[in-house]
Amino acid sequence: KAGVTQTPRYLIKTRGQQVTLSCSPISGHRSVSWYQQTPGQGLQFLFEYFSETQRNKGNFPGRFSGRQFSNSRSEMNVSTLELGDSALYLCASRVSAGSEDTQYFGPGTRLTVL
Amino acid sequence: AQSVTQLDSHVSVSEGTPVLLRCNYSSSYSPSLFWYVQHPNKGLQLLLKYTSAATLVKGINGFEAEFKKSETSFHLTKPSAHMSDAAEYFCVVSDFYGGSQGNLIFGKGTKLSVKP
Repeated sequence: KAGVTQTPRYLIKTRGQQVTLSCSPISGHRSVSWYQQTPGQGLQFLFEYFSETQRNKGNFPGRFSGRQFSNSRSEMNVSTLELGDSALYLCASRVSAGSEDTQYFGPGTRLTVL
Repeated sequence: AQSVTQLDSHVSVSEGTPVLLRCNYSSSYSPSLFWYVQHPNKGLQLLLKYTSAATLVKGINGFEAEFKKSETSFHLTKPSAHMSDAAEYFCVVSDFYGGSQGNLIFGKGTKLSVKP
């Protein structure tokens, strides 16, 4: 079974631009979560989507948004990029939300904001 | 609120010697706890998880962890380190949201170095 895939793997943007990251979960998994990893703040939860609905949200500004499609693929969007948004963005999938299912992570998208 | 504290930011061992990575947790209920590993420029891989079954949990690559409620600890151990174990290790607790398991809360990570 294929793992979680994320595209693109690397991205360079400038301040003020917006960016869209994509995540395809493991086949059969309906929950997708997004995390931000930075050297200063570590790994922080952004949001979780399940059945096309945002189920849970972390403490990030409204510039960070996401959505999930009927095939469970998810996209994350960041508008008006700031230098501090430079990070590794990780996506994780599990069978269903609200359970003890293990979350499986993709390789991440490395975003650099100049 | 749930939280985890990894007591060492960096641990260095020699190949063939035991590994101990320490983690304390704080939770208002019976938690689900995990250890994930991240190799350089890679995503996170699950090593093992505890979900209120046996307190000694065996994971992949010879790692295991023991849940000790009285000490609120979930330390990761391995009897004999291998060069390929060099990576960053994260202790993680599952948050409880809306009456069910929610997002993951990560510790700051412990970087493990293995000397030949």
